[in-house]
Amino acid sequence: AQKVTQAQTEISVVEKEDVTLDCVYETRDTTYYLFWYKQPPSGELVFLIRRNSFDEQNEISGRYSWNFQKSTSSFNFTITASQVVDSAVYFCALSGLTDSWGKLQFGAGTQVVVTP
Amino acid sequence: KAGVTQTPRYLIKTRGQQVTLSCSPISGHRSVSWYQQTPGQGLQFLFEYFSETQRNKGNFPGRFSGRQFSNSRSEMNVSTLELGDSALYLCASSLEVTGSYEQYFGPGTRLTVT
Repeated sequence: AQKVTQAQTEISVVEKEDVTLDCVYETRDTTYYLFWYKQPPSGELVFLIRRNSFDEQNEISGRYSWNFQKSTSSFNFTITASQVVDSAVYFCALSGLTDSWGKLQFGAGTQVVVTP
Repeated sequence: KAGVTQTPRYLIKTRGQQVTLSCSPISGHRSVSWYQQTPGQGLQFLFEYFSETQRNKGNFPGRFSGRQFSNSRSEMNVSTLELGDSALYLCASSLEVTGSYEQYFGPGTRLTVT
């Protein structure tokens, strides 16, 4: 069975601070895909990033960066210089090749609150 | 390109009734997945359709069903509504079905069962 754990329930920061969201996953698949989604108060889930299990290179995209470590089954996500518009619930998700047709396994989400 | 659309956006139903929710995927996307989101259970996968065939199903009772049409539009139906069915129902579409491609979500349908 696949499982995604986001231990942080809520993170509160002041604008311009960096925010790092933790994600730990479990899967028996050797090939799998990891995602981060953002859900603002409007409710729509917005795709942010995707990572393949066979590519551990960490990248930066604008104010977003991620740290994928297969050895610790972690896929952490960082928002640099946070802004009020970053306030949302952030979900880490996993998709493998077993029983994966169209299915994302989501974590419980981390509420990020950015205050001016 | 237009995003995923879902109708209606809000719905209020009474216990015992049935409801049908609709989802139109992004043009060219043939995979449509449905999720239920509740404060207690979080985001849970309901089922996935591709080329009018249900390819995958989550752990939900048979009261939850769906279908997909030849134009990839999808509907989900919940019969004999229970209070616990109150939730945000999200539809997502994707180019590919094996999970290697990201899913794009619609705004959701918020269902309230009274």
